[in-house]
Order: sequence, then structure tokens, then C-alpha cells
Amino acid sequence: DTGVSQNPRHKITKRGQNVTFRCDPISEHNRLYWYRQTLGQGPEFLTYFQNEAQLEKSRLLSDRFSAERPKGSFSTLEIQRTEQGDSAMYLCASSLASGHGEKLFFGSGTQLSVL
Amino acid sequence: SQQGEEDPQALSIQEGENATMNCSYKTSINNLQWYRQNSGRGLVHVILIRSNEREKHSGRLRVTLDTSKKSSSLLITASRAADTASYFCAPVTGANNLFFGTGTRLTVIP
Repeated sequence: DTGVSQNPRHKITKRGQNVTFRCDPISEHNRLYWYRQTLGQGPEFLTYFQNEAQLEKSRLLSDRFSAERPKGSFSTLEIQRTEQGDSAMYLCASSLASGHGEKLFFGSGTQLSVL
Repeated sequence: SQQGEEDPQALSIQEGENATMNCSYKTSINNLQWYRQNSGRGLVHVILIRSNEREKHSGRLRVTLDTSKKSSSLLITASRAADTASYFCAPVTGANNLFFGTGTRLTVIP
């Protein structure tokens, strides 16, 4: 399988707990994106990496959210002290920077439920 | 705002009919992309049109772009039940970050 892989598929946690999600992009892709999506809404941009460098982070993103991409391969998204409002689908996408307009390949997402 | 805004919010048609979805945006773009999403799944790229193109075809899909009006439309001809999904447009600026609107929910009734 050469697609974007996200784990876990579902996560249920109690308010106040920390959670971490993992994304494995398509192997040759150098860009990696995180989005958050709630029911009935479009995906909301969170952050993106080019190789291991985090180039942009949404100003709407709380300091409780942090993302890493060590060695420019897989990425993790951590949410500290979760709140009920964090309940959402977290989507990861990757692309190969080409300078000619690249398309994003999305994973199936991690559905987070904060109780 | 860098995101696209899709219109209508919801569209319901009979199988075999054509479906047209519109997208408006506010910034200068390098390209504009359309994605589809089935319920509970990730997005799948549908088509990309560059800023110097006015129309593009791919199978049953036709996308147009009017940069003077900052708008795009996606036409699906001879729709099928499998086309049922939410469709999102993403205007892309130089940074190649994609910002999505709330989408058009298309339902094709068999």
C-alpha cells in the first residue's frame, strides 16, 4: 500500500488527557499537511511541513497542539490537555513539491472523540 | 480569506442528470483544485486547473476558471450514484497551502 496512512483510525479519550496521532505519507513526498474537520464543515488547515521543517502553522491553532516531522518522514500531531471542542476528524495529506501545482493525497483520518 | 466558497451547499439530482457546482474565491491564484469526499473518508483529488487555463476536461468532468471573476465551476455530466459525495474547491496561492470551504454535498438518486 503506497497511500497515506494514519493511525489510529479512532481515538476516544477523556477531557484533559493528551493524545498523539501518527501519519505516514507517501514515501517520496516531501510535503506533509495536517487538517481538522468537524461534521458538515470543510477541512481546516492546521500546519504543514516541507521535509522536516514546519513552514506554516495556523494562527487559530492553540498552543496545546504541536506537530513534528523528524527526519522528514512520518509526522505526529499531539494535543495536550484535550477539550471537548477538540473532537473532530484529523486528516493528514502529503504531496510532492513540483513548482507546477501539486495535488494532495489524503489519508482516511483519525476520528477523535473527547468525552 | 484564502479559502474557496462553494455553491450550492447541497444539490440533489437524478442519476443521468448533470450536476454543476460553483466556487468563488478572493485571492490571486496559481491554480485551483477540486476534491471530493465520501462520508467519513479522506479527500480525493478530482481535477486541477491552472490560472492560465479557462477550461479543462477529464472524462465526465468539466472544470472552468474565470480569474477575472475569481470563480470556477465543476460540471459532472451523466451523473451516477457513485458520484454522491461532498465536493470542495481549493484556490491555491504561491505557498501551495490549500484552504477549503464548506463544500457542496451532492446526492445522486438512482
